[in-house]
Amino acid sequence: AQSVSQHNHHVILSEAASLELGCNYSYGGTVNLFWYVQYPGQHLQLLLKYFSGDPLVKGIKGFEAEFIKSKFSFNLRKPSVQWSDTAEYFCAVNRSAEAAGNKLTFGGGTRVLVKP
Amino acid sequence: DVKVTQSSRYLVKRTGEKVFLECVQDMDHENMFWYRQDPGLGLRLIYFSYDVKMKEKGDIPEGYSVSREKKERFSLILESASTNQTSMYLCASSPLWLAGGSSTDTQYFGPGTRLTVL
Repeated sequence: AQSVSQHNHHVILSEAASLELGCNYSYGGTVNLFWYVQYPGQHLQLLLKYFSGDPLVKGIKGFEAEFIKSKFSFNLRKPSVQWSDTAEYFCAVNRSAEAAGNKLTFGGGTRVLVKP
Repeated sequence: DVKVTQSSRYLVKRTGEKVFLECVQDMDHENMFWYRQDPGLGLRLIYFSYDVKMKEKGDIPEGYSVSREKKERFSLILESASTNQTSMYLCASSPLWLAGGSSTDTQYFGPGTRLTVL
């Protein structure tokens, strides 16, 4: 079965530090890749997504992610975090070949705490 | 702005009760989804629907059923609630296909219902 792995469950860092969250998936076919964020008490919302083209994707709030097909990875990065980036981050994968082409498989999430 | 609303933010029920969780979306989306969110497990798909009266099982359908009588409304039913169904339940909606590059090609989530079964 397809799975999505996020390696870190919790990350604690200080403001201005750089952030990188790992995401790996196990499916070998064509995939669409997403990062969602859930700020405390808020809805899950889309940070960025990759469908095709440039494997380096830029999203909202200074986040970017790089799709490395050979490594089945889609890691999320931000060069300099702020206290307001404290949230839980979820990687998700959609298999293009599925008949109902919009199911998402989510990773377990990474809770990020940015200390002021 | 897409709005996905859920009937309750917090719900407390007793073991064996029948529980209804309601979700409404206002974007005329074809697809609707029910997930449960548990710490360390991320979001797991319970059921989804790509059309009125159509439903498909997700990864963890046991103990749940769904109903979609109208396009904008998708209900999750716990026929006989059990303590292991204590969780956060998230509803989402999306356009039919997510294969495009449009910024609207994504799933939109509701605020969640935190269900406690005693």
